Amino acid sequence: KAGVTQTPRYLIKTRGQQVTLSCSPISGHRSVSWYQQTPGQGLQFLFEYFSETQRNKGNFPGRFSGRQFSNSRSEMNVSTLELGDSALYLCASSLAGQGIRYFGPGTRLTVT
Amino acid sequence: AQTVTQSQPEMSVQEAETVTLSCTYDTSESDYYLFWYKQPPSRQMILVIRQEAYKQQNATENRFSVNFQKAAKSFSLKISDSQLGDAAMYFCAFRPANTDKLIFGTGTRLQVFP
Repeated sequence: KAGVTQTPRYLIKTRGQQVTLSCSPISGHRSVSWYQQTPGQGLQFLFEYFSETQRNKGNFPGRFSGRQFSNSRSEMNVSTLELGDSALYLCASSLAGQGIRYFGPGTRLTVT
Repeated sequence: AQTVTQSQPEMSVQEAETVTLSCTYDTSESDYYLFWYKQPPSRQMILVIRQEAYKQQNATENRFSVNFQKAAKSFSLKISDSQLGDAAMYFCAFRPANTDKLIFGTGTRLQVFP
């Protein structure tokens, strides 16, 4: 089976712009979660989707949003980018009810 | 609040030797999962080992094993016969059974010397 894929792998944006990141889960996985990784804050949970419904949300401002499509692919959007949004954004997928999250390679976002 | 603490920012080990990475967590939950993830320089997060809190037996995966002490809320990772490819950041993570959210520690950077 193919692993979790994330596109794009690298992205450079300017402050104030918006960005959309994409995540395709492992075939058959219906749950997708997103994490932000920065040197200062470490790994922080953004949100999780299951069957197109957001099940959990972390403590991030409303500028961070996401959605999941009927094929389980997920997108996250960050509007009005700030310098502090520069991070590695990781997506993970899992089978419903399983404890194991399989991570993608991440998208490195740089905001200038 | 649920927290995961990794008190060793960096560890080093010689090839073929054994090293133990520490992790403690704080929770009032009784049912949860614990994980160790490895993140090499490529940044891909890879699951190393998983432990269900209701299982008393410590999980083992080849050269990797854990020492799970539920009462002490401790979950250490032992790497035996260390290899150069084991060099990476290691993250301890916790997930309550009733949520989908993984809570990570701050990580331990493991260096392996030949």
